[in-house]
Amino acid sequence: EAGVTQFPSHSVIEKGQTVTLRCDPISGHDNLYWYRRVMGKEIKFLLHFVKESKQDESGMPNNRFLAERTGGTYSTLKVQPAELEDSGVYFCASSQGFGLTNEKLFFGSGTQLSVL
Amino acid sequence: RKEVEQDPGPFNVPEGATVAFNCTYSNSASQSFFWYRQDCRKEPKLLMSVYSSGNEDGRFTAQLNRASQYISLLIRDSKLSDSATYLCVVKPDHPGSARQLTFGSGTQLTVLP
Repeated sequence: EAGVTQFPSHSVIEKGQTVTLRCDPISGHDNLYWYRRVMGKEIKFLLHFVKESKQDESGMPNNRFLAERTGGTYSTLKVQPAELEDSGVYFCASSQGFGLTNEKLFFGSGTQLSVL
Repeated sequence: RKEVEQDPGPFNVPEGATVAFNCTYSNSASQSFFWYRQDCRKEPKLLMSVYSSGNEDGRFTAQLNRASQYISLLIRDSKLSDSATYLCVVKPDHPGSARQLTFGSGTQLTVLP
C-alpha cells in the first residue's frame, strides 16, 4: 500500500516567488494535516482537512499561505509570495478517522523548502 | 513557555546502554500522548502511544504521570539502529479540539559502537 507522498521533495526559490507543495494522502484517509518544521524549532500544526473541508486552519501563519483539497483527495499548499522565514520542512500527514486506532497519523517524507 | 518541553540532548551512549528521555507538557487538557521517532531527513514515525498505566513494547517502556504532566521513554539494551531523534507528542481531546498534535523539539540520540 502506498504511503503519504509529497512533491517536490526539495524546492529552492527566491523571495517573492510562488511555490506550490502537493500531498497525496493514503487512499481512503479522510483526514489530511499539514505541519511545518522551521530550522531549530519544533514541528508545528498548520491545518487540518476532513475530506475537502477545512476543519481547522488555526496554525496557518498568515494569508500568504493557501491550502486546498479539491475533491477530498490530494491537497496543495501554496505560498505566495514566499518570504525568507517560510524556509523549513513541510510535512503532510493523513489518518483514516477518529478514535484511538483510526487516528494514527502517517506522515509523508516532507518537502524541504528553501527561500533565498 | 513551550507547550511540550524536551531535553534536546544530544545523548551519546554505547551499545547496550539504557537511556531515558523525559518530557513535560503544559496543557492539562492533553489527553493522548505519544513518542515518535524521526531519522535524519526522514518523516516522523509513531514509536508508541503512552498510556496512563505505563506500557512496554520490547526494549521500549513509556510512562505517564498526569499529576506532574510528565512523560518518559526508557530504551534498554540500545542498538545502533536506535540512533534518531525522539519526539514527545501530546494531543488535546476535549470537545471542539482539532485533534492536532503538539510536538516537542525532540531529543537526539546517538548509539555508539
